[in-house]
Amino acid sequence: DAGITQSPRYKITETGRQVTLMCHQTWSHSYMFWYRQDLGHGLRLIYYSAAADITDKGEVPDGYVVSRSKTENFPLTLESATRSQTSVYFCASKPEGSGQETQYFGPGTRLLVL
Amino acid sequence: TQLLEQSPQFLSIQEGENLTVYCNSSSVFSSLQWYRQEPGEGPVLLVTVVTGGEVKKLKRLTFQFGDARKDSSLHITAAQPGDTGLYLCAGARGGATNKLIFGTGTLLAVQP
Repeated sequence: DAGITQSPRYKITETGRQVTLMCHQTWSHSYMFWYRQDLGHGLRLIYYSAAADITDKGEVPDGYVVSRSKTENFPLTLESATRSQTSVYFCASKPEGSGQETQYFGPGTRLLVL
Repeated sequence: TQLLEQSPQFLSIQEGENLTVYCNSSSVFSSLQWYRQEPGEGPVLLVTVVTGGEVKKLKRLTFQFGDARKDSSLHITAAQPGDTGLYLCAGARGGATNKLIFGTGTLLAVQP
């Protein structure tokens, strides 16, 4: 089914381990985003990408790395996971163009860092 | 820094009641969006308001953008259990990327 998917849906890891969260979209949207959602903070932007090979920091980028070698994929890597990175992570995409304001969200990845 | 404050944070009401959720900021936004999020899923866009003072209706939901484009409200008439969910406002900064700043969210529970 076309759309935006995230994997894994659930992940438990230990402090210090590297974790990669995957995001894949089938719409060929130019823009992709990574957010984390925590109680009391709403959704906060971690990184975003305007196109393949173009990425930029959001509000809370520390401890995260992204890449975008292909338009449809936007993986998020936690290089050395910390307990404060326990959260629900959402990927989103948006088409390019004036008036294209809607972001389409994936179902989320629930990450627990022990 | 959280630029968008939503109130109330939690709301539990009976079916048939009316309610209003507020989204306030000291910043001006080019547009404001409202999303609804159900458990285990990502947010889904309900509406985008662009012009100061704009009012949009979506069935029993009425959205208003403040005249100064700094705040917004969502009013639900005769709430139904199906309205239960997390409501998020998001202010857009404009420009090519049009990054969103999300509010803190309002968790609504409508009891049958």
